[in-house]
Amino acid sequence: KAGVTQTPRYLIKTRGQQVTLSCSPISGHRSVSWYQQTPGQGLQFLFEYFSETQRNKGNFPGRFSGRQFSNSRSEMNVSTLELGDSALYLCASSQLGQVSSYEQYFGPGTRLTVT
Amino acid sequence: DQQVKQNSPSLSVQEGRISILNCDYTNSMFDYFLWYKKYPAEGPTFLISISSIKDKNEDGRFTVFLNKSAKHLSLHIVPSQPGDSAVYFCAASITGNQFYFGTGTSLTVIP
Repeated sequence: KAGVTQTPRYLIKTRGQQVTLSCSPISGHRSVSWYQQTPGQGLQFLFEYFSETQRNKGNFPGRFSGRQFSNSRSEMNVSTLELGDSALYLCASSQLGQVSSYEQYFGPGTRLTVT
Repeated sequence: DQQVKQNSPSLSVQEGRISILNCDYTNSMFDYFLWYKKYPAEGPTFLISISSIKDKNEDGRFTVFLNKSAKHLSLHIVPSQPGDSAVYFCAASITGNQFYFGTGTSLTVIP
């Protein structure tokens, strides 16, 4: 099976702009979660989508939003970019539905730099 | 608030010896725990998991121990190999919903 793919891998934006990141989960996986990783903060949970519905949301401002399509692909959008949004954004997919399937499989991430 | 904590930012171990990575959590409702390994410029890779009904799970050189009363889990790697050098994250969840990650421990295995 192909792994989780994320596009683009690298992105440079300026303050005030908006950005859209894309994630394609492993085939058959219906849950997609997004995380922000910054130095010293580990992985901070942004939100999780399952069957096109946002099921869980982390403690991030409303500038961060996402959606999931019927093929389970997901996008996240950050509007009005701030310097502090510079981070590695990771997408993870999981199968759910079974206790043994709580494992999340991560993509390589999108490195966003805001200048 | 950081519900999952990895208090050791880094760890160095000689090749062939045991590596022990620790993780503490605060929420007693967590019932599923995972360990991930991350190399630079790559996403985290799933290593091993444990549910709260167990206190130990083994997979080859990797063993995870869970002490629910102490709200503590640890990952043992035996024997450690240079290829194990990476950042290790522990994560916890309640029935697979919303995983909380620690800040990571950077493991260096010295040849």
